[in-house]
Amino acid sequence: IAGITQAPTSQILAAGRRMTLRCTQDMRHNAMYWYRQDLGLGLRLIHYSNTAGTTGKGEVPDGYSVSRANTDDFPLTLASAVPSQTSVYFCASSATALIQNSPLHFGNGTRLTVT
Amino acid sequence: AQKVTQAQTEISVVEKEDVTLDCVYETRDTTYYLFWYKQPPSGELVFLIRRNSFDEQNEISGRYSWNFQKSTSSFNFTITASQVVDSAVYFCALSEALRDSNYQLIWGAGTKLIIKP
Repeated sequence: IAGITQAPTSQILAAGRRMTLRCTQDMRHNAMYWYRQDLGLGLRLIHYSNTAGTTGKGEVPDGYSVSRANTDDFPLTLASAVPSQTSVYFCASSATALIQNSPLHFGNGTRLTVT
Repeated sequence: AQKVTQAQTEISVVEKEDVTLDCVYETRDTTYYLFWYKQPPSGELVFLIRRNSFDEQNEISGRYSWNFQKSTSSFNFTITASQVVDSAVYFCALSEALRDSNYQLIWGAGTKLIIKP
């Protein structure tokens, strides 16, 4: 079934540790996104990539980095995790960066707890 | 600044009742797009509808309908004859133009809808 795969499903991480959340899509979508979802705040964009080889900062990029070496993969790295990064992380993709014409498809999320 | 407000944090109704979820937005863009997404208890986010700022016609899809009014900056979502399977968190979102012709979505905080049998 075509879609977005995120791993791990959940993780408990000690503060100060490095962690990479994985995201892979098989729809050949050009654009990919990382959001965090926090209660009462909705979803906030962390980083995005309009096409392989390019990335951009979203609303809340601090403490996170991404790379887009190919079309399918868009990993999100927390270099040194802090408790405020406890959240549910969603990876999403769209056929093009023109999200008004190509709706977002979401993965099932990664629930991260930083202790 | 762009903003989406979903003032109803949680709504609870009995099955078969009609229910309306409110969405009010603020934008400086002359052209923009509005979206509704559904997040059922399983957690995934599912696209429901997209509406551009030039099209104020209401839209109906089965039991779902959307009322877009630019005069009040609102894009409300109504479920008719609600069912237990409609229980979910519903998000309203607004497109925002970024630099370099990129776009992002600005999301409301979501409304949790509980349909009781």
